[in-house]
Amino acid sequence: ETGVTQSPTHLIKTRGQQVTLRCSSQSGHNTVSWYQQALGQGPQFIFQYYREEENGRGNFPPRFSGLQFPNYSSELNVNALELDDSALYLCASSSEDNYGYTFGSGTRLTVV
Amino acid sequence: AQSVAQPEDQVNVAEGNPLTVKCTYSVSGNPYLFWYVQYPNRGLQFLLKYITGDNLVKGSYGFEAEFNKSQTSFHLKKPSALVSDSALYFCAVIPRGGRRALTFGSGTRLQVQP
Repeated sequence: ETGVTQSPTHLIKTRGQQVTLRCSSQSGHNTVSWYQQALGQGPQFIFQYYREEENGRGNFPPRFSGLQFPNYSSELNVNALELDDSALYLCASSSEDNYGYTFGSGTRLTVV
Repeated sequence: AQSVAQPEDQVNVAEGNPLTVKCTYSVSGNPYLFWYVQYPNRGLQFLLKYITGDNLVKGSYGFEAEFNKSQTSFHLKKPSALVSDSALYFCAVIPRGGRRALTFGSGTRLQVQP
C-alpha cells in the first residue's frame, strides 16, 4: 500500500507567477484535500475533491484552484502568487467510508 | 463555525514522566476528533481519532486521548514520555454531519528532556 506522495518537495517562485503542485493519493482513497500551513500555524483547509468534483472549499480566494483526475490524483494551482502564499502545502487523501486521512510530506513553496 | 484551541504553545516534560497535551473544541453536537504529530519539515502523521464508542481512545506509539463531552476536551496523553516524542502536535475536529474537512488547532510543541 503506497502512501500519499507530493511533488515537488520545494519550490521557489516570484510574486505574480503561477504554480502547480501535485499529489498522488493513497491506494483505495477517492477523496483528496489540500491544506495550507503557514509558518508557526496549524494547517488551513483550502478545498476537497471527491470523484473529480470540488466537494467543499475553505476561505481561500478563487486564484486557488484544483483538479482531481480519474486515478484520484490531484493538482493545486495558485495564480498571481503573493508573498503570503509562502507556506507548506499539504495534501491528504481518504476514502468515503471512513475518517482516516493520510497526509503527504508536503510541498514547501517560497514566494519571493 | 467550529474551532479548536490548544492553550499551550509548548509543553516540557522529562523523559519517563507522563505527558499531557491539551485540546478543547467548539463544535455543535458530537464531533469527530483527531490528533496528528508533525516532525520537522515533514507532513502530518496520524496518531488517533475518536469517532464513537469508548471515550478513551488508544493510538499509535503508546499515545491515548480521552473524549470529555461535558468539558468539550480531547487531551492527548502518554504514560511515559520518550525523547523521540519531541515534535509538534495538532488537535483537529470534523463536525458530525458537516463538511469533511479538518479544522486544526494552532499546535503544541512537545519537548521531552533526557
